[in-house]
Amino acid sequence: DTGVSQDPRHKITKRGQNVTFRCDPISEHNRLYWYRQTLGQGPEFLTYFQNEAQLEKSRLLSDRFSAERPKGSFSTLEIQRTEQGDSAMYLCASSYQTGGANTGELFFGEGSRLTVL
Amino acid sequence: GQSLEQPSEVTAVEGAIVQINCTYQTSGFYGLSWYQQHDGGAPTFLSYNALDGLEETGRFSSFLSRSDSYGYLLLQELQMKDSASYFCAVYPQGGKLIFGQGTELSVKP
Repeated sequence: DTGVSQDPRHKITKRGQNVTFRCDPISEHNRLYWYRQTLGQGPEFLTYFQNEAQLEKSRLLSDRFSAERPKGSFSTLEIQRTEQGDSAMYLCASSYQTGGANTGELFFGEGSRLTVL
Repeated sequence: GQSLEQPSEVTAVEGAIVQINCTYQTSGFYGLSWYQQHDGGAPTFLSYNALDGLEETGRFSSFLSRSDSYGYLLLQELQMKDSASYFCAVYPQGGKLIFGQGTELSVKP
């Protein structure tokens, strides 16, 4: 397994267009997370899945953002009607958690950098 | 809600020891993690503390005091390659991980 992979690595789009990012987690991981990071800031939580169920979505997240993990494997994050403020690095991470055990470790992908013109 | 505070910048010289503090306020608490991120790279996991005390992993150690809502990351025998951003992060309820704003560590020769 080569780790978490994200595609595309870079996306430049015009304001108002829709964009979609894909994340392939580590194969045996049941949890998948999406974060957004801007320069000089920490990763900001967007949403996470356990298998195919979306367990939590940030209350700060606009309804222009939607994420899916249809078969509990890969995930997509779609941003509709992009705005310049959406320009950021979108990070995907995965982990394996069973019961109450938590190692505290997320495995991050290299991210998808979005630039909205 | 949750908030984490850590210094924005720290500078140290090669071979020195540096401590990066983190204080947190959360509605629940499962544990405190630390991540390292080099410019242009992905965050990578360093350590996790669920219980009070010190966890040591090579040159890095992490400490947690749940009663003080406080933790720190200790880096020993600093090397140039340790120059990076360091983030503390908390699990409020065992699900999502909430990150601090990060501390940029600069290691000088």
